[in-house]
Amino acid sequence: DAKTTQPPSMDCAEGRAANLPCNHSTISGNEYVYWYRQIHSQGPQYIIHGLKNNETNEMASLIITEDRKSSTLILPHATLRDTAVYYCIVRVYNFNKFYFGSGTKLNVKP
Amino acid sequence: GAVVSQHPSWVICKSGTSVKIECRSLDFQATTMFWYRQFPKQSLMLMATSNEGSKATYEQGVEKDKFLINHASLTLSTLTVTSAHPEDSSFYICSARVTQAKTYEQYFGPGTRLTVT
Repeated sequence: DAKTTQPPSMDCAEGRAANLPCNHSTISGNEYVYWYRQIHSQGPQYIIHGLKNNETNEMASLIITEDRKSSTLILPHATLRDTAVYYCIVRVYNFNKFYFGSGTKLNVKP
Repeated sequence: GAVVSQHPSWVICKSGTSVKIECRSLDFQATTMFWYRQFPKQSLMLMATSNEGSKATYEQGVEKDKFLINHASLTLSTLTVTSAHPEDSSFYICSARVTQAKTYEQYFGPGTRLTVT
């Protein structure tokens, strides 16, 4: 699986959009980008995934650059409950295993 | 849907004893489950892949004789930490992939906090 690089931490004001970047410059053509988050002392929660098109669901939006070497997870209106560690993972779609990187600790502040 | 549970949620045991952790898929069948370990302030580390009806496959560096995995049914996988030592104290998390799903997302359990004294 391609390696990902994320900033170790970010701050965001409550109610504002949180934009979490992820660099995956060695991604292969058949690898998807997945985002999970882990709230303190809980199991990871699936957020969104995509291949090359931008994706949106009820939780977030995923913007993937045209060359697919980086992506941004957008939480449109961050709340205090969005404080968590966010993991960006790339892997082949039908490959079983997830390997987690170090993630970004998002601190949403009132 | 797609709920994964773990039992117990936390456990304290004495050094040298064995501890069993259960991972259940509550509303779906899971041919494949995964076990992770997470130390404080660190990321999740994949330990092994648990396959129903066959032997588990372990990641490099994980002792298979110390971390025994049994996946006897499509809804249950167990991890037994044998002869536990304080360095085995960690947060253990399982995940499951929906059998015959069109997608390959994994659903994670809430984790089990193991403390070995």
